[in-house]
Amino acid sequence: ETGVTQTPRHLVMGMTNKKSLKCEQHLGHNAMYWYKQSAKKPLELMFVYSLEERVENNSVPSRFSPECPNSSHLFLHLHTLQPEDSALYLCASSQAFRQGDSYEQYFGPGTRLTVT
Amino acid sequence: GQNIDQPTEMTATEGAIVQINCTYQTSGFNGLFWYQQHAGEAPTFLSYNVLDGLEEKGRFSSFLSRSKGYSYLLLKELQMKDSASYLCAVRSYAGNNRKLIWGLGTSLAVNP
Repeated sequence: ETGVTQTPRHLVMGMTNKKSLKCEQHLGHNAMYWYKQSAKKPLELMFVYSLEERVENNSVPSRFSPECPNSSHLFLHLHTLQPEDSALYLCASSQAFRQGDSYEQYFGPGTRLTVT
Repeated sequence: GQNIDQPTEMTATEGAIVQINCTYQTSGFNGLFWYQQHAGEAPTFLSYNVLDGLEEKGRFSSFLSRSKGYSYLLLKELQMKDSASYLCAVRSYAGNNRKLIWGLGTSLAVNP
């Protein structure tokens, strides 16, 4: 059983909808990540929270909005998405002994998002 | 720029040995990771190399040469369940932060 859980596992939404993805880690880690995985593209890092501060935002459109209320929970709020945003969204966590540090990451099962 | 190259696809036979190569060009280097990802599942951590040489972990071994910007993952005694995508990722520097640069992955098919 994975130490990182994600809900929902599948999501279909229209372009005008608002939805949220949830991630929870049970590993005692203090860094959490959102990735986008599309076919024939490498994993794209979207956001990083380390020691409860956002340390990275890789030029992600504002229609994606992350929230990290504590070191165990991470959300990705979605609104007015485009069809090209359809992808697998993966959450990961790791230990970080200082801001910006990164050790091996443990991934959740992902949310398969389809935007219609 | 930052770049990681891996073969797109490989096939091998059950019981055989297969080597998956990864070459990288990054601005700074602070470790290389290998992950396994089965279709429809999350990537799972396999190995980590930061010094030159071979790290062995059961049927899987990973090798690193920092001077050549090269790593390989060696899978021995292949099993059908080893059919998966294998992702190479390099931890690089971006300002004060270390970030992972990911390859596209190598899709391995193990045939009976």
